[in-house]
Amino acid sequence: QVTLKESGPVLVKPTETLTLTCTVSGSSFSNGRMGVSWIRQPPGKALEWLAHIFSNDEISYSTSLKSRVTLSKDTSKSQVVLTMTNMDPVDTATYYCARTPFYFYHMDVWGTGTTVTVSS
Amino acid sequence: DIQMTQSPSSLSASVGDRVTITCQASEDISNYLNWYQQKPGKAPKLLIYDVSNLERGVPSRFSGSGSGTDFTFTISSLQPEDFATYYCQQYDDLLWTFGQGTKVESK
Repeated sequence: QVTLKESGPVLVKPTETLTLTCTVSGSSFSNGRMGVSWIRQPPGKALEWLAHIFSNDEISYSTSLKSRVTLSKDTSKSQVVLTMTNMDPVDTATYYCARTPFYFYHMDVWGTGTTVTVSS
Repeated sequence: DIQMTQSPSSLSASVGDRVTITCQASEDISNYLNWYQQKPGKAPKLLIYDVSNLERGVPSRFSGSGSGTDFTFTISSLQPEDFATYYCQQYDDLLWTFGQGTKVESK
């Protein structure tokens, strides 16, 4: 049974860098048989995919955000870390991480999300 | 990037109604088309993957179909717990895109 949990700051200031961590529980992460995506959702708005790390450690970024977003993985800690630079109030959102099963492209297990507010 | 146009953006329906939501891709996509349900304050939940495959544990009143650029999601008989927002999502060439969502409300 795989579970994912997001963690990070609740509040960041404009221009600061946001760092969020997705901690994965379950053996499929350590044996490389899953991918992890980050998705965000501004209040009252639609879901937006941000970035993904595949089971082979290849990383893909949203075209619109690739200049600001970096993804990294620490297998020893079962964590995937999202870094987003130059935060702006429009980046206020709930940020989710989600699993894609090996060899599939749907997101079948989601974290509960973490809400980040960008304000001075 | 492929854009997904989901419609309608909202609809009103009654328990027992048949509900249909459509998603149109800006170009021909493979069968990597998924549907999610989201309730307020909760994470999305996978319902359908790869166009028409029902996720384990999801009731059979949910179904999906389509190919190419046009896809359909159907609830055959709306239940009280189905009032929620639904999103389509596609995957192509290392990128994912969500539709804008359809809010299903009680009539």
